[in-house]
Amino acid sequence: DAGVIQSPRHEVTEMGQEVTLRCKPISGHDYLFWYRQTMMRGLELLIYFNNNVPIDDSGMPEDRFSAKMPNASFSTLKIQPSEPRDSAVYFCASSQDRYEQYFGPGTRLTVT
Amino acid sequence: QKEVEQDPGPLSVPEGAIVSLNCTYSNSAFQYFMWYRQYSRKGPELLMYTYSSGNKEDGRFTAQVDKSSKYISLFIRDSQPSDSATYLCAVNDYKLSFGAGTTVTVRA
Repeated sequence: DAGVIQSPRHEVTEMGQEVTLRCKPISGHDYLFWYRQTMMRGLELLIYFNNNVPIDDSGMPEDRFSAKMPNASFSTLKIQPSEPRDSAVYFCASSQDRYEQYFGPGTRLTVT
Repeated sequence: QKEVEQDPGPLSVPEGAIVSLNCTYSNSAFQYFMWYRQYSRKGPELLMYTYSSGNKEDGRFTAQVDKSSKYISLFIRDSQPSDSATYLCAVNDYKLSFGAGTTVTVRA
């Protein structure tokens, strides 16, 4: 298996622009998680899905952030409009049972 | 109060030394305890996890959970330069909560 796939790996954008991050989970995994990692706050859970349904979005920082999972093999995290404080590494992870989570390589987002 | 507290280090040891990493957690209801390893500019990878109290060993790695003191530990024996990474502890009830991570450098 190729593991969790994320794209793009790096994204540099200007404040106010829309940013879309993409994730393909491991086939057969029913859970998908979006995390954000910064030096100040560490690794934080933003939202997670079970069988394509959002279960807990309490970690989504504000309305500028939205996530979708239209099918079992694809999810997006969108930031609109982006701000410099959104600069971070965004990870997608998937699991079969919510415990053993497998992380993708991350998307390094820089908002100038 | 954060759910998991972890000393960020950094920790530097000579090759062959035992590395000892620790975390404390706040909620006694937690049952699943994980250790992830993260190399620079990579995603975290699951090293091992334990359920409830006790020890778990996998090669050079040993994870311990002491629920009475809400303390979790990871020991790395015969450490190698390839073990140089950031180690994150995590607890799981219905979602993972991570510690800050401890950066470890093993000097050749």
